[in-house]
Order: sequence, then structure tokens, then C-alpha cells
Amino acid sequence: AQTVTQSQPEMSVQEAETVTLSCTYDTSENNYYLFWYKQPPSRQMILVIRQEAYKQQNATENRFSVNFQKAAKSFSLKISDSQLGDTAMYFCAFMRGSGGSNYKLTFGKGTLLTVNP
Amino acid sequence: DTEVTQTPKHLVMGMTNKKSLKCEQHMGHRAMYWYKQKAKKPPELMFVYSYEKLSINESVPSRFSPECPNSSLLNLHLHALQPEDSALYLCASSHVPGQGPVKETQYFGPGTRLLVL
Repeated sequence: AQTVTQSQPEMSVQEAETVTLSCTYDTSENNYYLFWYKQPPSRQMILVIRQEAYKQQNATENRFSVNFQKAAKSFSLKISDSQLGDTAMYFCAFMRGSGGSNYKLTFGKGTLLTVNP
Repeated sequence: DTEVTQTPKHLVMGMTNKKSLKCEQHMGHRAMYWYKQKAKKPPELMFVYSYEKLSINESVPSRFSPECPNSSLLNLHLHALQPEDSALYLCASSHVPGQGPVKETQYFGPGTRLLVL
């Protein structure tokens, strides 16, 4: 079974600064995907970024980027130029790669990020 | 368009009531999901439908009854719920597995916040 660990229950950052959220995972699979989802207070969960395990290049989406270290099973999220709208719960999630009944997302417990003005 | 809609947004019901939650997507996805989320916790998978057939039931009590009348709609029928069932109920959809991480990404609706009295 896969596990996802987010070791930082809460974090805070000043507006315009950079913050990194940690995520580690444990799996015996070689083909898998990793995701970061963002859930603002009382709002919809949205996809921030995804990474395929077979890709060495780290994924980036505007101000969001990941540091994917496959050997270390680490998948951290870096948010640059933090904005007030980035305040949210961030969930790291794992999914087995294509093939089989891999519908399941395994979530970490989440990191509550607060961006302060 | 990556929109999943859910109705109602809020629902209050007594333990003897019968109610239904509705979810709709028009992204051509053939996999649809129900999750339960408690405050400040990650979503917990309840059910998965694939091609309108129940694919996964995560040992959910029978007072929750899912239904997938067509490829765009997903219902969750509620009956004789308990106060501990109060939570945010999230619907999600994706393409079925086997098509790569972009298509297998799950997109979430805004949720129905349920309170059982």
C-alpha cells in the first residue's frame, strides 16, 4: 500500500515571498503520478500541478513548481511570489500509473498555508 | 472546461429523512467518484463508478446509496444518517485509467456540506 506524508500541518509566509511545502511518499510501484491539490477555505479543491514519475524534469505551472526526487521519494511544492489567494489547505496525492484499477488517489494529511499581508 | 457541479451546496437533514446529493459533469469523463471530507482532513474515497457501473465501494454503510443514471450524472441517496455523517461530500470525475496522467487527473466539484441533526 502507498502512503503519503506531509510533515508540516501548518505554515505561514509573507506576501511576495517564497515557500516550500514538503511531501514524501512510500511505494513499491515504478510507474505512478503525483499531484498537488489546493483547497481554499470553503472553496473547491483544484489541481495545482502534476508530475509523472518517469519524467526527470520537474513540473512547473506559473508560480508553482515542484522538486521531484524519485530516489528519495520526495515531492515538494514551491510557491514563488506568494499571494493572499494562495491561502489554502494543500494536499499532496499519489496515484498508481496506468494499468489496473488505479482509480485511487492516496492523499497526505494536508498542509494549511496562510499568506500574510 | 473542467467543471463539476454539485447540488445542493448545503443540506440539513434529520436522522429519519431521505435526501439525495447530485453531481454533474460534461467533460466526457466516464469515471465518477464520491468522497467524504471531514474538516481539515483529506478526502476519503467512498465510491467509484466506471462506465456507469459501480467499480469500487470502500465498505460504505448501506445508508449511503450511490446511483449513476448516465455518463454525466452521479447521485448519492441518503437515508437514516447519523450525526457523525455530517461532512463535506465531494464529487469528482476523470477519464478511466489507462490513458495517462493528464486524462486520469480527477477534477472535483465544490461539494455539498451536509449537517445531520
